[in-house]
Amino acid sequence: NAGVTQTPKFQVLKTGQSMTLQCAQDMNHNSMYWYRQDPGMGLRLIYYSASEGTTDKGEVPNGYNVSRLNKREFSLRLESAAPSQTSVYFCASSEIDQPQHFGDGTRLSIL
Amino acid sequence: TQLLEQSPQFLSIQEGENLTVYCNSSSVFSSLQWYRQEPGEGPVLLVTVVTGGEVKKLKRLTFQFGDARKDSSLHITAAQPGDTGLYLCAGATDSWGKLQFGAGTQVVVTP
Repeated sequence: NAGVTQTPKFQVLKTGQSMTLQCAQDMNHNSMYWYRQDPGMGLRLIYYSASEGTTDKGEVPNGYNVSRLNKREFSLRLESAAPSQTSVYFCASSEIDQPQHFGDGTRLSIL
Repeated sequence: TQLLEQSPQFLSIQEGENLTVYCNSSSVFSSLQWYRQEPGEGPVLLVTVVTGGEVKKLKRLTFQFGDARKDSSLHITAAQPGDTGLYLCAGATDSWGKLQFGAGTQVVVTP
């Protein structure tokens, strides 16, 4: 019963470094999402993938790129990390028009 | 700009008391979901409401969707310490369920 698995759980980067956050789901869902959660802001959608082979921008896409590697995996890349990208990142998956299932998050600090 | 406004932002009550959390918007939603999030974990779905005026009960939790499908409330009767958590509302704005989240209400129930 893994559900949505995110790696790593914690990461500290220096400004300008790059990294990729990984997400995998084992529920055979078509749709996958990346959110960031900041204090007082709730969850904000960065990118989503309605189905394998498609990706679209969400509310706050600047500074990020995504890859829907296959139906199971959806990765988020920070090409040149900035302190403003310090946040908790959540991946989620769902079937169309069904509730989303979330991973436990990646806590990212950028110095 | 937060599409969904949650109030209050923080609520601290004693065990056995009742509480209500509100989620308001000027937009109409096709459905609205309530999630609870505990520290170090992702949000977990509590309920989905779809029809204007709908009321759903989940043990001591009562959820209501406004007649115009613009607002919702969560009422907890006889709160217990296990109800402590961050409560998030999320509205679906398109046909396949992309969500807009409120900022959340932090509920603390002390014994």
